[in-house]
Amino acid sequence: KQEVTQIPAALSVPEGENLVLNCSFTDSAIYNLQWFRQDPGKGLTSLLLIQSSQREQTSGRLNASLDKSSGRSTLYIAASQPGDSATYLCAVMGTGANSKLTFGKGITLSVRP
Amino acid sequence: KAGVTQTPRYLIKTRGQQVTLSCSPISGHRSVSWYQQTPGQGLQFLFEYFSETQRNKGNFPGRFSGRQFSNSRSEMNVSTLELGDSALYLCASSLLISVPRELFFGEGSRLTVL
Repeated sequence: KQEVTQIPAALSVPEGENLVLNCSFTDSAIYNLQWFRQDPGKGLTSLLLIQSSQREQTSGRLNASLDKSSGRSTLYIAASQPGDSATYLCAVMGTGANSKLTFGKGITLSVRP
Repeated sequence: KAGVTQTPRYLIKTRGQQVTLSCSPISGHRSVSWYQQTPGQGLQFLFEYFSETQRNKGNFPGRFSGRQFSNSRSEMNVSTLELGDSALYLCASSLLISVPRELFFGEGSRLTVL
C-alpha cells in the first residue's frame, strides 16, 4: 500500500527566503507525481507534474525534482513571497489498475512579510 | 476555458439523510475522479469514472456511490449520512487516462452532517 509522507506539517519563513518542501513515498512503482497548492477553504491548484521517467520540472519560481529509486521528491520555491502562504500537497499516482492519487497530509507554509 | 465546476458548494444535512453532489469536468475531459478531504484522514480516493464506466474504487462503504453521464458530468451520492461524512468532497478531471494524466480539481462541495 502506497504511503506518502510530508514533514514537517508546518513551516514559517521570512519573505525572500528560498525553501525546500520534502515528500517521500514508499512504493517506487508510480506513474507520476504532482504537487498541489491549497488555499484555506479552496480546492487544489496543480503546480507541477513529473512523469515517472522525468527527474524534474520547473515553472517560474518553482522547481520540483523526483528520485523514484529513493522514493523522494522536493519542491523548491525561490524568493518566497507572502502570497506563497498555503498548504502544499504532494501526490503520487499508481500504475495500471491502481491509477489513483495517494496524497500526503501536506505542509502548511507561512511566509512572513 | 471553464475549470471543474462542483455544485453545491456548501450544504448541511442531518444524520440519516442522503446527498447528491455534482461535478462538471473541464470541456473535453472524459475522466472524473472523486476525493474526500477531512482534517483527520486528509485526502482519500473515492472512485474514478471514464466514459461512463467506473475504473477504480477506493475503500469506502457502499453508502458512497457515483455515476458518470454521456456528457462526462458526474454525480456522487452518499446515503444514510453519518457525522463522519462531514468533509470537503473534491472532484478532479483529466483529459486522458494516459500520459501525462494531470488532474485538475474543482473548488469542492463542503458537506456538514448534523
